[in-house]
Amino acid sequence: KNEVEQSPQNLTAQEGEFITINCSYSVGISALHWLQQHPGGGIVSLFMLSSGKKKHGRLIATINIQEKHSSLHITASHPRDSAVYICAVSNTGTASKLTFGTGTRLQVTL
Amino acid sequence: KAGVTQTPRYLIKTRGQQVTLSCSPISGHRSVSWYQQTPGQGLQFLFEYFSETQRNKGNFPGRFSGRQFSNSRSEMNVSTLELGDSALYLCASVPGGGTEAFFGQGTRLTVV
Repeated sequence: KNEVEQSPQNLTAQEGEFITINCSYSVGISALHWLQQHPGGGIVSLFMLSSGKKKHGRLIATINIQEKHSSLHITASHPRDSAVYICAVSNTGTASKLTFGTGTRLQVTL
Repeated sequence: KAGVTQTPRYLIKTRGQQVTLSCSPISGHRSVSWYQQTPGQGLQFLFEYFSETQRNKGNFPGRFSGRQFSNSRSEMNVSTLELGDSALYLCASVPGGGTEAFFGQGTRLTVV
């Protein structure tokens, strides 16, 4: 069993829909990261969470430490949100050694 | 502020050869981590360098090695290339305090 599990693996949504991507982990962590990867490979860090909830624009990330679960929500989805979203955890106190989930491929259509 | 720069962006090598990839972190970042991304295994941690010292190492064979220079630039080397080494190799730099990783665009290595 992978240390970090994501669901769903693939997601298709229509523009404007509310999207949720889930991440569960089985190890102790110091922080959980949500990353976005566009075709071509570049990865951008969206959030780093150690507790509670964070919001940036239309993106919201939450984490429940007791249940070892995190969710990434996208409100009012747009085709430019189409990308692979990756959950990653760190247990060293820094973001220098990450363990990744398998990613969720999101496609938002008009 | 310049981002993380990886060179080259694309590389084709033959089985048995060796390859060196380069990563220049964001100015002031002393930690550089390397990751391998393949369709089958996803993203996996290779190693991390901090102030010219390897601080963490992932579960990869000894053919994979790296180093970091005094200006924080890092190189990784893969010797005796195998077909399975074909992958996107990403490096990430982490600032002091270490709360966020900044990734380069990656080097796509194809072994034929």
